[in-house]
Amino acid sequence: AQSVAQPEDQVNVAEGNPLTVKCTYSVSGNPYLFWYVQYPNRGLQFLLKYITGDNLVKGSYGFEAEFNKSQTSFHLKKPSALVSDSALYFCAVRAPAENTGFQKLVFGTGTRLLVSP
Amino acid sequence: EAGVAQSPRYKIIEKRQSVAFWCNPISGHATLYWYQQILGQGPKLLIQFQNNGVVDDSQLPKDRFSAERLKGVDSTLKIQPAKLEDSAVYLCASSSHRGTSGGAGDTGELFFGEGSRLTVL
Repeated sequence: AQSVAQPEDQVNVAEGNPLTVKCTYSVSGNPYLFWYVQYPNRGLQFLLKYITGDNLVKGSYGFEAEFNKSQTSFHLKKPSALVSDSALYFCAVRAPAENTGFQKLVFGTGTRLLVSP
Repeated sequence: EAGVAQSPRYKIIEKRQSVAFWCNPISGHATLYWYQQILGQGPKLLIQFQNNGVVDDSQLPKDRFSAERLKGVDSTLKIQPAKLEDSAVYLCASSSHRGTSGGAGDTGELFFGEGSRLTVL
């Protein structure tokens, strides 16, 4: 079954430093991978996705993610963190719905990013 | 463009009571999802609709949860009777893709509402 793993419950980084939030995946076939961000008491907001093409995907708010097929990873990165980036980040993979041809998103457990001033 | 609308934002009930959540997806989006997000966990899909038909309800506790999407637009998720472990945020999402993998116009991303936070006492 398709799944994603986020090995870190929390990532701490100082403002201005680069950040990385890790995600590894397990899929059969070509992976469709996503990153979402969740601010307190808000829904999930789409950041970026990898479907095909360049391994480095650029998204919203200066975030980017690198797809690495050999390591089955899709780590989220940003060159210079902001305090306002502090939030909960979820990695997700497209997976087939049970017994149908339809697709659904399967989410990881989330990583809390704390950016200190 | 209006986003996904959900109500109520917050609900507190006692166990064994019932509750209903409403969702209005983005106009034109054929696919609607209800996810349950328990504190400290990632969202878990409860049910997925394609227009007004159910395509995946494999993780829906059908003895107490029900959902419908009459006319293929807005949707209601009901819990009856509620248990303590149902305390969670219920997220509604919609997407424009037809659900099949790949294909032109299949962007794959979901658009989420703000969520409905349920507390069961």
